[in-house]
Order: sequence, then C-alpha cells, then structure tokens
Amino acid sequence: EAQVTQNPRYLITVTGKKLTVTCSQNMNHEYMSWYRQDPGLGLRQIYYSMNVEVTDKGDVPEGYKVSRKEKRNFPLILESPSPNQTSLYFCASSPGGYRKSHFGDGTRLSIL
Amino acid sequence: DAKTTQPPSMDCAEGRAANLPCNHSTISGNEYVYWYRQIHSQGPQYIIHGLKNNETNEMASLIITEDRKSSTLILPHATLRDTAVYYCIVRVATGGGNKLTFGTGTQLKVEL
Repeated sequence: EAQVTQNPRYLITVTGKKLTVTCSQNMNHEYMSWYRQDPGLGLRQIYYSMNVEVTDKGDVPEGYKVSRKEKRNFPLILESPSPNQTSLYFCASSPGGYRKSHFGDGTRLSIL
Repeated sequence: DAKTTQPPSMDCAEGRAANLPCNHSTISGNEYVYWYRQIHSQGPQYIIHGLKNNETNEMASLIITEDRKSSTLILPHATLRDTAVYYCIVRVATGGGNKLTFGTGTQLKVEL
C-alpha cells in the first residue's frame, strides 16, 4: 500500500530539547515536503527536497532543519524547539510535475 | 501561484450532489487546478486536478470554465464521510518542490 509514514504521531516536550520527526515514503517519489498547520494560517511549507541531497527552504524554515540522505526518508529536525513551534506537522511526497501529493497522517507537537 | 477564493462553509444533504465553487480569476495558462480535502485533522487527501478540460474520477468531477477563471468540484452523491474541509489550489506543474499553497478552504458539512 502506498503510504507516507510519520513518527511520532504525538509528542509533548520542553523548550530546547532537540527532537526529530521522521518521515518515510514507499513510492520512490523524488519530491518530499514538510508543512505545518496552525489555526487560521492553513498549511505552510517548511522545507522541501527534490531528490537525495537536494533540499531547499519553503515559506517558514526558521528553527527547522532537514536532511535527505536516502530517497525514502526526509526527517524534520528541531534543534532547539520553542513554544511557537507547537503545531500540527505533515510530511508529503510526490513524483513531481503535475502529479498528486501524498500526505502522512500528521504529527502533533506540543512544546512547553 | 494564483490565489483562490472559496466560500467558507456549505451544507449538503446526504445522497445529494455537493457542488463546491472556486474562483481563480488570476490563473495563468500553465497553472493547474487541484482539489484536496482534509477530514478533521488528518493529512490532506488528493481528490482531482485539471488544466483545461473537465475531469472525472472515482471520487469526483471537476468542471473548469472555458476562461479558466473558476471551477466547481462535484461530489455526485455526498455521504456523511465526505464532511471535510475542501481546498482548491492553483499551481504550476513544476517549481517550489511541488509546493501546495493551502488557503482556508470550504468546510462542507453533509447532513442526514
């Protein structure tokens, strides 16, 4: 079954404690992205990757890092989380071009 | 990417057709129209997309006006499980890591 898998699904942590949200896709897609969703602001792109070792900033990259060492994985790293990064996060993948994107089920982060 | 305008909410009786409008009057010739939906806080789900011609798949139909300035998503026989936020998105086929710019969408409520 084609899927995008995110872990963890829920996390409550404290300010400054480094965390990583993993994302893995089994469709051999070139493109992967991270979005965050906040009330009243919709989904906003954080970072994206067009292939292995190729990443670029989206609209709201501050405070986040990503890496793409393997085609299937695209982890989101918060080196020093702050309360304003409390949000619902989605990973997405697509084959590129006009074709559709597949989204994971989301990760709800609460940073106290 | 062109901006879109959608009504904030709509109601539909179960079993009836749900017609969701979208205005994208500034769309460019190389921009596609995409529809995604988000059920509660799950990951967005692709529904359909098109460039110029009307499109139909197992989920819905997409009607694009001849001048391409507006479109309508049609769910032919809405069920309670179709209650969701529906997003109309316009973007070019390439660039920005296949970024999808989500607006506020239309909250569709399907009722008995």
